[in-house]
Amino acid sequence: QVQLEQSGSEVRKPGASVKVSCKASGYTFAVYSMHWVRQAPGQGLEWMGWINPNTGDTTYAQNFQGRVTMTRDTSISTAYMELNRLRFDDTAIYYCARDVGFNYGTFDHCGQGTLVSVSS
Amino acid sequence: DIQMTQSPSSLSASIGERVIITCQASQVISDSLAWFQQKPGKAPKLLVYVASRLETGVPSRFTGRGSGTDFTLTITSLQAEDSAIYYCQQYYSIPYTFGQGTKLEIK
Repeated sequence: QVQLEQSGSEVRKPGASVKVSCKASGYTFAVYSMHWVRQAPGQGLEWMGWINPNTGDTTYAQNFQGRVTMTRDTSISTAYMELNRLRFDDTAIYYCARDVGFNYGTFDHCGQGTLVSVSS
Repeated sequence: DIQMTQSPSSLSASIGERVIITCQASQVISDSLAWFQQKPGKAPKLLVYVASRLETGVPSRFTGRGSGTDFTLTITSLQAEDSAIYYCQQYYSIPYTFGQGTKLEIK
């Protein structure tokens, strides 16, 4: 079955960077785009962007342009999301989420989430 | 960006009842609309996409309708396990955006 296993919780200071990993299993990694979505404590869902695991092509939401980098390593079926210049309001749970197809735009499987806390 | 507005923000209903959650897009999004269910401490779960297509394994008491700018998610024969927050999402244009959520409480 499809599984997305994310890396563990992280604590960072403002201005630092964080890199979250998402290891996929149970399907052909390169066929399905991967989204990243975040959720601040007690808040709603925010789409950050996606990556085509086959080509490495990425599209980012304007809110994160210049601060986020999504990459992948197809040899180990793993996607990564790195967020730089962290701010207090980047404290959130970050989810990787598999697209329902190829660049469909919505997602049918999520990782368990990675809590990133930004604290001084 | 396309704004997605859900109503109501919260509602309470009894087991066996029917509830309707609405989602309105700030511009036409065709049928590029998904519905998610999220329970506390869990990742969102896809219920419906392409406005009305039920995701595999989702009970048939969940029904999505609509096209253009106005959409609904109907839950019939409410069960205790339907207590959750429900989000709509448009994937018509980037950035993909979500509604603010509707919290459903089962009495």
